[in-house]
Amino acid sequence: AQKITQTQPGMFVQEKEAVTLDCTYDTSDPSYGLFWYKQPSSGEMIFLIYQGSYDQQNATEGRYSLNFQKARKSANLVISASQLGDSAMYFCAMREGTYSGAGSYQLTFGKGTKLSVIP
Amino acid sequence: NAGVTQTPKFQVLKTGQSMTLQCAQDMNHEYMSWYRQDPGMGLRLIHYSVGAGITDQGEVPNGYNVSRSTTEDFPLRLLSAAPSQTSVYFCASSQSTGTLDTQYFGPGTRLTVL
Repeated sequence: AQKITQTQPGMFVQEKEAVTLDCTYDTSDPSYGLFWYKQPSSGEMIFLIYQGSYDQQNATEGRYSLNFQKARKSANLVISASQLGDSAMYFCAMREGTYSGAGSYQLTFGKGTKLSVIP
Repeated sequence: NAGVTQTPKFQVLKTGQSMTLQCAQDMNHEYMSWYRQDPGMGLRLIHYSVGAGITDQGEVPNGYNVSRSTTEDFPLRLLSAAPSQTSVYFCASSQSTGTLDTQYFGPGTRLTVL
């Protein structure tokens, strides 16, 4: 089973509008972190925001906020007031906290959502 | 403070050739890792290290070797390149293995194997 699911391969949003990128996750580990990264066409991976499994409040970072619904195992990224520079691939990722053999502590990534901001 | 650096940025190899992708970080991070990114997929872990002298396999380790003799450096070696190893390779590091420790990525190496 996929640990991170991003169901929107591509999305369009009008400049200055808000947009929500979906992410659901699957884990039985009580301790985990959820991360969002942005990958512009230049290729680098840029960290945006994270949320810990024990955090009571949703994380915010400037125009980015993370809508964390633990019971539904979702961690959606909300970008407010979209800008042309927000056009990029966005990846949701999870890091689990318990050692479980090979691959422990890795970031498990979803397949990404391509966001296009329309002027 | 350069963060995570990778060299080279681009590389073309012939099948059967070997090479080493370099990765260095100047943040004194314990945890370092190598991922590969293939079209239409997210990143997949190749190998990782939780400190100097300690490495372990990730999800897709076959065909790759790593070592970590210093905290700063974590090179990835392709033993005998195959076309299936054509990919973009990212090195990443984080302070430790904590769930809230952000992994910071290098700029990537685009590798083509002919």
